[in-house]
Amino acid sequence: EAEVAQSPRYKITEKSQAVAFWCDPISGHATLYWYRQILGQGPELLVQFQDESVVDDSQLPKDRFSAERLKGVDSTLKIQPAELGDSAMYLCASSLGLASGANVLTFGAGSRLTVL
Amino acid sequence: DQQVKQNSPSLSVQEGRISILNCDYTNSMFDYFLWYKKYPAEGPTFLISISSIKDKNEDGRFTVFLNKSAKHLSLHIVPSQPGDSAVYFCAASAPGGGNKLTFGTGTQLKVEL
Repeated sequence: EAEVAQSPRYKITEKSQAVAFWCDPISGHATLYWYRQILGQGPELLVQFQDESVVDDSQLPKDRFSAERLKGVDSTLKIQPAELGDSAMYLCASSLGLASGANVLTFGAGSRLTVL
Repeated sequence: DQQVKQNSPSLSVQEGRISILNCDYTNSMFDYFLWYKKYPAEGPTFLISISSIKDKNEDGRFTVFLNKSAKHLSLHIVPSQPGDSAVYFCAASAPGGGNKLTFGTGTQLKVEL
């Protein structure tokens, strides 16, 4: 069964350091999403790509977060500098396209970030 | 502004009985609703969905009911099994939203033997 691959699974870093997460979506999925889930809360969208273009990054803290999907396939989410409040699970998901309701999002296993 | 709400953070049921998980939403533009299940240290996995043009969708032990006038949906699991113990998230999307999902805060279901 096709999966969304994410790495690393776990990352511990000190505040003010830089961290990066990688995601490889299901082959052929044009739309890629980065969500953040804080413990006890639901996932919240950070950024959405359609192929290599950003569709929605309205909730991305752009002073410290950046995301790219240069060739429209895999993607990297970067945080610099990391803050204590960034401790969360970072989830990548992909879907076939943008049609509302037509496509289910498939999530990866996530990258758990702990900022000390 | 929490557009999708799951007011019960936890639910405990006995094996074999029915589990009912509830979800309320405020955005009348939502036209597609999904339920995801999440085990610890894993990503959410899709369970079942329903379009706003329907009021019920069934898949094996799982049934989702939608009451648009009340802006309420529920997930029924019958019979409940220990392997169903997980966090369940309700999610919704709206037209023009690029298939972006808005999630509730989740309900922790525990199915006891």
